[in-house]
Amino acid sequence: EDQVTQSPEALRLQEGESSSLNCSYTVSGLRGLFWYRQDPGKGPEFLFTLYSAGEEKEKERLKATLTKKESFLHITAPKPEDSATYLCAVGAQGGSEKLVFGKGTKLTVNP
Amino acid sequence: DTAVSQTPKYLVTQMGNDKSIKCEQNLGHDTMYWYKQDSKKFLKIMFSYNNKELIINETVPNRFSPKSPDKAHLNLHINSLELGDSAVYFCASSQLTGDGYTFGSGTRLTVV
Repeated sequence: EDQVTQSPEALRLQEGESSSLNCSYTVSGLRGLFWYRQDPGKGPEFLFTLYSAGEEKEKERLKATLTKKESFLHITAPKPEDSATYLCAVGAQGGSEKLVFGKGTKLTVNP
Repeated sequence: DTAVSQTPKYLVTQMGNDKSIKCEQNLGHDTMYWYKQDSKKFLKIMFSYNNKELIINETVPNRFSPKSPDKAHLNLHINSLELGDSAVYFCASSQLTGDGYTFGSGTRLTVV
């Protein structure tokens, strides 16, 4: 069964303090690994898709990387507006568009 | 605005009632989904439709019945609501190219 484990569950940073979120996964053939951002009371917002080990993608202060077992979301010099829950999900090969999500990491960035 | 829109945003109802949630997307996507997010914020797939055809039906009680009148709409009807059905239900859509979903803003269902 496909599984996604995210750590830590919660992370508190000071503004400007860089850090990383971890997403470990097991999947029967990776179709893609997805990162989403979710703000309170809203639906998840798509950030990145990574398809193969070694791939990296960046968006503003966020950088996602992928290995064969895990993905990291690196946050460089975060700002308070980066506070949100970050969700990781995997899609398996085989024709289904289903995504399996982790429980998320709640990030709080204090000014 | 191009988006996935769900109605209602909030739904409070008594145990045993029947209720429906509606979802519409104007993104031209082929596939639509229902996900349930529980109190621990865990998102789990319930159903998926591709161009009006049911393609994913996870282990969900028979009281939940999705319907897709066309590829832009996916509704969720729930019979005989139970306390455990309280959650946030998200509709989403995607292209079959395998890229990320676009989610709606969710329907918070509270069963009392």
